[in-house]
Amino acid sequence: DTEVTQTPKHLVMGMTNKKSLKCEQHMGHRAMYWYKQKAKKPPELMFVYSYEKLSINESVPSRFSPECPNSSLLNLHLHALQPEDSALYLCASSRGGAMEQYFGPGTRLTVT
Amino acid sequence: GQQLNQSPQSMFIQEGEDVSMNCTSSSIFNTWLWYKQEPGEGPVLLIALYKAGELTSNGRLTAQFGITRKDSFLNISASIPSDVGIYFCAGQVHTGKLIFGQGTTLQVKP
Repeated sequence: DTEVTQTPKHLVMGMTNKKSLKCEQHMGHRAMYWYKQKAKKPPELMFVYSYEKLSINESVPSRFSPECPNSSLLNLHLHALQPEDSALYLCASSRGGAMEQYFGPGTRLTVT
Repeated sequence: GQQLNQSPQSMFIQEGEDVSMNCTSSSIFNTWLWYKQEPGEGPVLLIALYKAGELTSNGRLTAQFGITRKDSFLNISASIPSDVGIYFCAGQVHTGKLIFGQGTTLQVKP
């Protein structure tokens, strides 16, 4: 089983809203990732968690706040987003930091 | 920074034809990964390559890790309509970070 699940599938939020994206995997993977993807472009890495600790932050604005409550769950808290933050947000996981990554289906975020 | 050059950018082929796409870089990678992404979905891992020179198949797909560790190719044989999508190569560095190519959009005419 190589399934990564993400909720919600679609999200529309205003610039003053606070929302959260959720990601879950039950493969025993120890590394989890958040990516942002614009249409017809490759995914861009945002954050990496390794053994539940934040190991990489790719200079992401503070309006995006990641959280890893346990080894199976990864959240992305959103606050005061801008319309240009509208994108597909992808979660991925891997057994270790240098192993192949498996992606979830993504959350399509629209900021109005 | 590290960059991958993926080509071709797009392909429009007839069903049954073979397809070839490749990625090159000026940097060395520890692992090469090939993903397929369909509209509205996340990338799906097709093939993972771990050793220089490695040639791996997955059904009609064949991929190779270049001997210099700076390139990789993906071949699809006897294409079918469901092969349509965007194919991304990704090189992985020792930290685990993936460097993606810009993608190859494949369209298959029945």
